[in-house]
This record gives sequence, C-alpha cells and structure tokens, in this order.
Amino acid sequence: SAVISQKPSRDICQRGTSLTIQCQVDSQVTMMFWYRQQPGQSLTLIATANQGSEATYESGFVIDKFPISRPNLTFSTLTVSNMSPEDSSIYLCSFWDGQGDSGANVLTFGAGSRLTVL
Amino acid sequence: GDSVTQMEGPVTLSEEAFLTINCTYTATGYPSLFWYVQYPGEGLQLLLKATKADDKGSNKGFEATYRKETTSFHLEKGSVQVSDSAVYFCALSSPYGGSQGNLIFGKGTKLSVKP
Repeated sequence: SAVISQKPSRDICQRGTSLTIQCQVDSQVTMMFWYRQQPGQSLTLIATANQGSEATYESGFVIDKFPISRPNLTFSTLTVSNMSPEDSSIYLCSFWDGQGDSGANVLTFGAGSRLTVL
Repeated sequence: GDSVTQMEGPVTLSEEAFLTINCTYTATGYPSLFWYVQYPGEGLQLLLKATKADDKGSNKGFEATYRKETTSFHLEKGSVQVSDSAVYFCALSSPYGGSQGNLIFGKGTKLSVKP
C-alpha cells in the first residue's frame, strides 16, 4: 500500500492569516481528496484535486477560501485562507489505494492537520 | 441520497466487555462498506471493509458483516481492551452518487474502555 504523509500535523493560527497544508504520497495517484473534520463531527469532503486541472469543489466550499494545488501526481496542497475561529478543524488528505482484492479500493488518509484559529 | 446512520455515543465499557456499534445505511445499488477508526490525536485508519452482501470484514478482533436484507454493517468485538478507546466511523462508497472520492461517513461513535 502507498504511504501518505501530511504536514503540518498541527498549528495554532491567528485570525485573518492563511495556512498551507501539504500532502505527499509515495506513489503516483490520479485523484487526491481533501476532507474537513470539525470538532466532534464527521468528515466532509472539501474538494477533489486532479493533476493538470482545477480542483472540483463540493457544495459549500469555494476556491477563494480553500485554494488547492496539484502540481504532480504525488503531491497536493490545501490553503485555508483568511482564517477565522470557525475554520478550526482537522484537515485530511486522502486517495484511493487499490488493495488488490475483491476489486474494492480503500480510501487512505493522511494523519491530518489539526488547525486551531485564535 | 446515500446516508449512514450510526449509534450515538459515547459508549463506555469495562475491559473485556462485548462491543457492538450499530450502523445502518441507505444507498443506491450495492455499496462497499467500511469501518474506520480514529485514535486520540491521530488521523483515520481503515479498520475493516466488505464489498458485497454477506461478506464479513475482520481485523484486530473486530468483525462486521454486510447484511443487505437489513442494510446494516454492525461492528462487534468479543473482548475490548483499553487500547481500543477511539472514535469509530462507519462509511460507504457508492458508485452511483456524489463525487468519485466521496465516502459517506456516519457521525462517529466514541468508545471509552475502562480498566
């Protein structure tokens, strides 16, 4: 299985600033996905990042707030812009990793970036 | 649309107790079903999965059986340990709806195991 690493693991940010989260996979993957997990809540898909094209955002998420880059097939970044306390969440990147059995891929997650906005 | 309903937590058990976390789903077609676990301060890890009716996923003593007739995928473990304390998420992936990357997650069930 491929390994996915994410950084920073956590950060404390000031209101109005922006922070970029990086996600690196040790093999080439077609699509990478960014999720948000607000405190005590489940996961919500923010956007799908494809190499060579603009990211596709889910309802309620916009590019100006969460710009995404995907410069190659192993790397992606998510920026949380102009942060407010409501952006305090865990942000996770992920990709579909083929397990080789039963035809079912598995969505594999990075360890997450826990952001606290003051 | 597709959805996952999980039992509300938190669940508090004594060590060696039997665990059941209920999960039911609504989906078009035949989804794959997953249980993910999130240990304190960490990201999500796949615990087990099942891809078709009557499949049983198992890992680390945990089991869940894909029941199409009851649209359920309940998580069970015969004897929990303190190290099992975590948040457990039931999820489905459907080939028919939503973004291709989208797993539909339940709200999560927090398990605390006391020594």
